[in-house]
Amino acid sequence: KNEVEQSPQNLTAQEGEFITINCSYSVGISALHWLQQHPGGGIVSLFMLSSGKKKHGRLIATINIQEKHSSLHITASHPRDSAVYICAVSTPNFGNEKLTFGTGTRLTIIP
Amino acid sequence: NAGVMQNPRHLVRRRGQEARLRCSPMKGHSHVYWYRQLPEEGLKFMVYLQKENIIDESGMPKERFSAEFPKEGPSILRIQQVVRGDSAAYFCASSVFTSTGELFFGEGSRLTVL
Repeated sequence: KNEVEQSPQNLTAQEGEFITINCSYSVGISALHWLQQHPGGGIVSLFMLSSGKKKHGRLIATINIQEKHSSLHITASHPRDSAVYICAVSTPNFGNEKLTFGTGTRLTIIP
Repeated sequence: NAGVMQNPRHLVRRRGQEARLRCSPMKGHSHVYWYRQLPEEGLKFMVYLQKENIIDESGMPKERFSAEFPKEGPSILRIQQVVRGDSAAYFCASSVFTSTGELFFGEGSRLTVL
């Protein structure tokens, strides 16, 4: 079993829909990262959080430390949001360098 | 302020050749991390470097792979005698203050071994 599990693996939605991507982890963490990867492209760091909730534009990330669970929400989804969204965790005493990654959620937004 | 720069973006090598991947961190960043993304697999940590020092190379294969981050110039990930299984996307990331800082990723270098 992977230490970081994401669901769903694939998600297709209509433009404008509210999107939720989930991440569960089984280890103690110091921080959780949400990353975005466009096909054939680079990786963009969306959020780094260790508690509570963060918002940036149409993106919202939440984390529940007790339940070892995080969600990434996209409001008013748009075709340009189509990408792979990756959850990653860093563990205490190791910091960024020992990030453990989920396998990603492939999101497709249909116009 | 340029982001993390990786080159080449695409590299094709024949089995047995050497591959050199370069990463210039963001200005002012002294922490560099290399990750590998095998086809249809998730990202995996390879190595963490600070200027002139390898801090953690526990994710790097023991043979044929090496990394450096010299005082001047980019970080280099070197793969000797490449094999088909080395075909992957190699991503570099950098952070500024400590190893718990926000990460900035490059566009990746995609290595294809024929």
